[in-house]
Amino acid sequence: GENVEQHPSTLSVQEGDSAVIKCTYSDSASNYFPWYKQELGKGPQLIIDIRSNVGEKKDQRIAVTLNKTAKHFSLHITETQPEDSAVYFCAATGFMNTGFQKLVFGTGTRLLVSP
Amino acid sequence: DGGITQSPKYLFRKEGQNVTLSCEQNLNHDAMYWYRQDPGQGLRLIYYSQIVNDFQKGDIAEGYSVSREKKESFPLTVTSAQKNPTAFYLCASSISTGPYEQYFGPGTRLTVT
Repeated sequence: GENVEQHPSTLSVQEGDSAVIKCTYSDSASNYFPWYKQELGKGPQLIIDIRSNVGEKKDQRIAVTLNKTAKHFSLHITETQPEDSAVYFCAATGFMNTGFQKLVFGTGTRLLVSP
Repeated sequence: DGGITQSPKYLFRKEGQNVTLSCEQNLNHDAMYWYRQDPGQGLRLIYYSQIVNDFQKGDIAEGYSVSREKKESFPLTVTSAQKNPTAFYLCASSISTGPYEQYFGPGTRLTVT
């Protein structure tokens, strides 16, 4: 089945710096790659997603890149702010034996942005 | 406001007791999901439902049960058969199963002693 690995597990940056989080996936049939932000004690919120027919997507300070050949995708946050501090999860679609297409999540990256 | 509500936010139970976690959505979504989150791990799928009156086991369904009698409701029961029930439980919904955005509720933290 699908396996998603995420690095680094923790990332500390200074305010204004850029942050990059990387994920790799194993199933070449994966076609949807969302990124979620989770603040302490809350549920994850989608911040950006990309589909397999697109190589890059940008939304203000956030961008995601996808390399299907290498099976990896990355989240880029520019001009980081203290409110960007949270845990970020990547995910990729994977197929169960029933044919159901589920999301397989990475183990998360704790981002700390220091003022 | 459209969204997903989960109650309660914190839940404490004694070992050996069953407990039911509530999940309600007003997004008119067909698909609903339950995930378990443990420290340092990604979200793991417990059960999912593609439509009313239908639900299927996810990757870690043992010791859990669900029902889907109404489109907007998908309660999860953690039974005494679940060996390690203490965790953060998240409910989610999407317009359909497949490659679509999943919207998450605020979660319920269950502690069993």
